[in-house]
Amino acid sequence: DAKTTQPNSMESNEEEPVHLPCNHSTISGTDYIHWYRQLPSQGPEYVIHGLTSNVNNRMASLAIAEDRKSSTLILHRATLRDAAVYYCILRHGGSQGNLIFGKGTKLSVKP
Amino acid sequence: DVKVTQSSRYLVKRTGEKVFLECVQDMDHENMFWYRQDPGLGLRLIYFSYDVKMKEKGDIPEGYSVSREKKERFSLILESASTNQTSMYLCASGWPTGMNTEAFFGQGTRLTVV
Repeated sequence: DAKTTQPNSMESNEEEPVHLPCNHSTISGTDYIHWYRQLPSQGPEYVIHGLTSNVNNRMASLAIAEDRKSSTLILHRATLRDAAVYYCILRHGGSQGNLIFGKGTKLSVKP
Repeated sequence: DVKVTQSSRYLVKRTGEKVFLECVQDMDHENMFWYRQDPGLGLRLIYFSYDVKMKEKGDIPEGYSVSREKKERFSLILESASTNQTSMYLCASGWPTGMNTEAFFGQGTRLTVV
C-alpha cells in the first residue's frame, strides 16, 4: 500500500487559515486521497477526498499537486472545534479498497 | 442521524472471557471494518468484510475473529480475551460498490480486559 507522510503536529491561531501538508510520493494512478479527522474521544470523521482536481466542500478544501505526489488540506478559518488529529489516507479506487491510517497530524488551535 | 452504532461505549471483561463487539450500520453499505486504536500506534485494521459472509484479514487479525451474517451487522469476537487486547475498538462502514465516497465510523468501544 502506498504510504503517506504528515507532520506530527501543527499549531494555528483561531480565525486563521490552516494548511495541513501530506506527502504521498508512491501514489498510484488509481489511488484516491482521503482526509479524515478525529476529535478527542470520538471516532474519525470524513473531511474530504479527491483524485486529481482540487476539491471544495463545506468543511475544507483539498489542493492536489499536479504530479499527485503531495496534497494540502486547507481549513479556511480555524476554530477551536477544529482541534483534532488529521489523517491523510490513500485509498485504492474500487469497491474493496481499505482505509489504512498513518499517525496523522495533531492540530492545536489557540484562541 | 446515527449511521454506525457500536453496542457498547465502555466494556470491562476478564481475561479468558469470550467477548462480542457488535456494530450496526443503516446505510446499506457492503463494506464494513474493525480497527483498534492504541496510543502511539494509531488506528490498525483488524478485519474487514466486503459482503455478507465474506471476511478478509487486516494487519493484526491474531486473537480476533469476525462474523457478518447480515449486511447491516458486523461483529468482532475475542475468543479468549487477554490484557493486551485492552484498547479502543472502532467500527466503520463505507462506500457502495464501485463508488469512492466516505466511510462512517462509530463512536468506539473502549474495552478493558482485567
